[in-house]
Amino acid sequence: EVQLVESGGGLVQPGGSLRLSCAASGFTFSSCPMHWVRQAPGKGLEYVSGISSNGYSTYYEDSVKGRFTISRDNSKNTLYLQMGSLRAEDMAVYYCARRCGSGTWYFDYWGQGTLVTVSS
Amino acid sequence: QTVVTQEPSFSVSPGGTVTLTCGLSSGSVSTTYYPSWYQQTPGQAPRTLIYSTNTRSSGVPDRFSGSILGNKAALTITGAQADDESDYYCVLYMGSGSWVFGGGTKLTVL
Repeated sequence: EVQLVESGGGLVQPGGSLRLSCAASGFTFSSCPMHWVRQAPGKGLEYVSGISSNGYSTYYEDSVKGRFTISRDNSKNTLYLQMGSLRAEDMAVYYCARRCGSGTWYFDYWGQGTLVTVSS
Repeated sequence: QTVVTQEPSFSVSPGGTVTLTCGLSSGSVSTTYYPSWYQQTPGQAPRTLIYSTNTRSSGVPDRFSGSILGNKAALTITGAQADDESDYYCVLYMGSGSWVFGGGTKLTVL
């Protein structure tokens, strides 16, 4: 069974840093591109960042570029999102999502999310 | 800045049919954007419904279908049920590793 379990969320002050993790199981993690999607309270889904299966290619949405870093450790089946210079508008539930299979352009499995609260 | 548009809200009667759409602020949605659709109930993670325009994800009832209607992607629910009351999001692949979500449609079944 495919499982994605996020962790690392919590309360952080504006300007602070936080690292999110997404532990994957039930599939060959090293074969699948992975992504982070967030949802601010009461708002819609927003694409944040993605990383190729080997970690060599990454993508960031403009508002997080230069502040967030996505990475993965295929030996640990874990995806990361290092978040820095956090702002109030970064407050959201952060979901990791899998995109697997050759030529697939959608997110087939999602974690349950981890809440990041940015507040002084 | 690309904006993906969805109806903010929609209402359907039980047993009825509803079509939600997913458009672009400029231009037309085509299959090359690989539109996909997700259902989300409050407090839950999104659930994948439709991908690559019209392919149902595993376990999704056949009352959900996807298509291109005119210049938009569309999600049609035929024979709506009470538990279809959810938020529905489309997402388009813009190329070069970029995806853009629509703002979501809140569907009410009453």
